[in-house]
Amino acid sequence: KAGVTQTPRYLIKTRGQQVTLSCSPISGHRSVSWYQQTPGQGLQFLFEYFSETQRNKGNFPGRFSGRQFSNSRSEMNVSTLELGDSALYLCASSPFPGVGIDTQYFGPGTRLTVL
Amino acid sequence: AQSVSQHNHHVILSEAASLELGCNYSYGGTVNLFWYVQYPGQHLQLLLKYFSGDPLVKGIKGFEAEFIKSKFSFNLRKPSVQWSDTAEYFCAVNSGNTPLVFGKGTRLSVIA
Repeated sequence: KAGVTQTPRYLIKTRGQQVTLSCSPISGHRSVSWYQQTPGQGLQFLFEYFSETQRNKGNFPGRFSGRQFSNSRSEMNVSTLELGDSALYLCASSPFPGVGIDTQYFGPGTRLTVL
Repeated sequence: AQSVSQHNHHVILSEAASLELGCNYSYGGTVNLFWYVQYPGQHLQLLLKYFSGDPLVKGIKGFEAEFIKSKFSFNLRKPSVQWSDTAEYFCAVNSGNTPLVFGKGTRLSVIA
């Protein structure tokens, strides 16, 4: 069974640009969550999608947005990039929302560098 | 809001030493607790989890954790570490269907 895949794996952008990251969940998983990982803050929750609907949103500015498609694939977008957006962006999938018995499986992440 | 504290930022141990990484959370209700590990260059993966029942939870690779409700703690332990345990370890908590809240991580370096 293929794991969670994220594309691209590495990305370099400049301040003010926008970026779109993609996540393909494990087959059969309908819930996708996004996290931002930085050395100073650790992993911080961005948002969670299930059946194309955003269920939860973390404490990030409106420049961070996402969506989920009917095949459960998800994208996140960051507009007007700032230097502080440099981070590893992790996607995780699970069969259903939340993390109870259905444990999340994480992808390898997209390393975004903002210059 | 829930929060998780991992008091050790970087731990350095010799091989065969015992390990205990601290994790405290702030939430008075029913919680689910997790320890994740991120080996260099690899995906974040689950080490062990606690939902209910026996507060002593055994995970993969010889790791275990003990849930002490009165102390709001879920410390990770391993009796004898190996060089291959070098990684970053994250404690996380959630309640019901809320998103995972992670601690800032503890970097473990095991030296020969």
